[in-house]
Amino acid sequence: DAKTTQPNSMESNEEEPVHLPCNHSTISGTDYIHWYRQLPSQGPEYVIHGLTSNVNNRMASLAIAEDRKSSTLILHRATLRDAAVYYCILRDVRGSGAGSYQLTFGKGTKLSVIP
Amino acid sequence: NAGVTQTPKFQVLKTGQSMTLQCAQDMNHEYMSWYRQDPGMGLRLIHYSVGAGITDQGEVPNGYNVSRSTTEDFPLRLLSAAPSQTSVYFCASSYRLAGGRDTQYFGPGTRLTVL
Repeated sequence: DAKTTQPNSMESNEEEPVHLPCNHSTISGTDYIHWYRQLPSQGPEYVIHGLTSNVNNRMASLAIAEDRKSSTLILHRATLRDAAVYYCILRDVRGSGAGSYQLTFGKGTKLSVIP
Repeated sequence: NAGVTQTPKFQVLKTGQSMTLQCAQDMNHEYMSWYRQDPGMGLRLIHYSVGAGITDQGEVPNGYNVSRSTTEDFPLRLLSAAPSQTSVYFCASSYRLAGGRDTQYFGPGTRLTVL
């Protein structure tokens, strides 16, 4: 499986935009880029995913580099509630077996939001 | 919808005791899975199921059993608890949309301590 690399930690001021980077230089053309986050003492929750084009939803935006070797999760205005560990995960769009549902979590980026 | 529920929230066991962690979902999801998360680590897959009567092993299955008799429930059994099984356990579920298209929903977790 293609690997992802994320910074261990980042800080942001409240109400400022946050750009969380993810490098995936060995990504294949059939890998979806997924982001999940885990708030303190909670289970992970889905944030966003994309394949080639930039994506927006109510929680965040996902900017994907033209060569797809990196992506950036954008939180437009960080709030204290956004303090969490953010995970960037690749999933193969060709997957059809039972194992294709598995999410492979790294250590993620711990985002701290400063009031 | 209650989403994914897990019981108990906290549990303390003595070495050698057995117990069952309960997981239930009310979204009619076919795929369900169990992860464990050790301090400062990402989640690791223990067992998963793609439907009633179908289960398979994940990355760290030793010491755990699962069964799936209904779509809604996916219990995780610890046969003979060991201190190495001290962890936080998360259950997750999703529709069977293969190829990285599914969004997975996680429960709140069970914090297990084995003395």
